[in-house]
Amino acid sequence: AQSVTQPDIHITVSEGASLELRCNYSYGATPYLFWYVQSPGQGLQLLLKYFSGDTLVQGIKGFEAEFKRSQSSFNLRKPSVHWSDAAEYFCAVVGYNNNDMRFGAGTRLTVKP
Amino acid sequence: EAEVAQSPRYKITEKSQAVAFWCDPISGHATLYWYRQILGQGPELLVQFQDESVVDDSQLPKDRFSAERLKGVDSTLKIQPAELGDSAMYLCASSLGRGIEIETQYFGPGTRLLVL
Repeated sequence: AQSVTQPDIHITVSEGASLELRCNYSYGATPYLFWYVQSPGQGLQLLLKYFSGDTLVQGIKGFEAEFKRSQSSFNLRKPSVHWSDAAEYFCAVVGYNNNDMRFGAGTRLTVKP
Repeated sequence: EAEVAQSPRYKITEKSQAVAFWCDPISGHATLYWYRQILGQGPELLVQFQDESVVDDSQLPKDRFSAERLKGVDSTLKIQPAELGDSAMYLCASSLGRGIEIETQYFGPGTRLLVL
């Protein structure tokens, strides 16, 4: 079965600095990958997804992610972080021909003024 | 923009009591999911419905948890009796569910359960 690892439990960046959140997946075939964001006490909001095609995908709120098959990674990036980006970020993977979504443990982002 | 609705948003109960959560998916979405999210972890699937039928409930603790979606629209998740370890966020999600393609799941705001 597919699985996801988010190596960083907590990351702190300064407002205006760039951001990269790491995500590694394990799956034997073509994965379908997602990034969700969760503000405290709230549900999950979809940031972006990768199904096929261009390996660099653009999402909402200025986020992008790059699928690298050779590294089994799908890292999330943002060139300039805003204080409102402080939240928990989850990477998720779905295997081909099923909707069994597996989430990573999440990375909590703190933004310093 | 259509959203997944859940209620209540917060629930405090004592152990051994019964609790129920309600979810109304985005209109037209045939597939509905219930997830449990323990603090500090990612969501884990409890049960998946396609219309009114259960597709996957392999991770649902069936001795105390039950879920139904009688008319294939809204859904109820019940816990009876609640245990201390059930304290978590319960998330509902829905997707179109009209094909074999991988679909995006849209999540509701969740119900935060605290069992005392």
